[in-house]
Amino acid sequence: DTAVSQTPKYLVTQMGNDKSIKCEQNLGHDTMYWYKQDSKKFLKIMFSYNNKELIINETVPNRFSPKSPDKAHLNLHINSLELGDSAVYFCASSQDGTELEQYFGPGTRLTVT
Amino acid sequence: KQEVTQIPAALSVPEGENLVLNCSFTDSAIYNLQWFRQDPGKGLTSLLLIQSSQREQTSGRLNASLDKSSGRSTLYIAASQPGDSATYLCAVKANSKLTFGKGITLSVRP
Repeated sequence: DTAVSQTPKYLVTQMGNDKSIKCEQNLGHDTMYWYKQDSKKFLKIMFSYNNKELIINETVPNRFSPKSPDKAHLNLHINSLELGDSAVYFCASSQDGTELEQYFGPGTRLTVT
Repeated sequence: KQEVTQIPAALSVPEGENLVLNCSFTDSAIYNLQWFRQDPGKGLTSLLLIQSSQREQTSGRLNASLDKSSGRSTLYIAASQPGDSATYLCAVKANSKLTFGKGITLSVRP
């Protein structure tokens, strides 16, 4: 029944490691997103993919690389993790088109030590 | 650059009170405005979506209004309950992306 799912829910890792977060949506949506919510709870978009193509790439370090194997999945790979990467990462999806609402996953809390 | 502001950052009210949460945005060229609820440690739940051509939307005890020309939206919660305690975020959509406010953390006291 889960519309947008993310794994893992929690991720604790050391600086310098490489990690991935997976996202899947079963809503048949064409567009998927990654957001970062920092320690001050401020939510900002990182990437947006439409039908496996990148359409939004905010000023995110190139250590972050989204990968979309198909339109139901958008994974986030992070290289050389830094302390400042600690945050909650949310995946979201929407049907193609600008006027439709976005559905969010439960979030992945990443802690870099 | 679009900026979304929600003031105050926190609000505490007694149960049963009707309340209004405010949201303002700087660029009125938006496609829609969405109100979300976030419980501690949880994801975002969409509450209401108002298209740019609409003035308001209602769902149960919630009513959201939009005044695009003045860059404002309000979320009205009727007869508040302790279960309404959460952080409420508004977000405006333009150029294929949502820009969020920092949210208002609401506490409803029994």
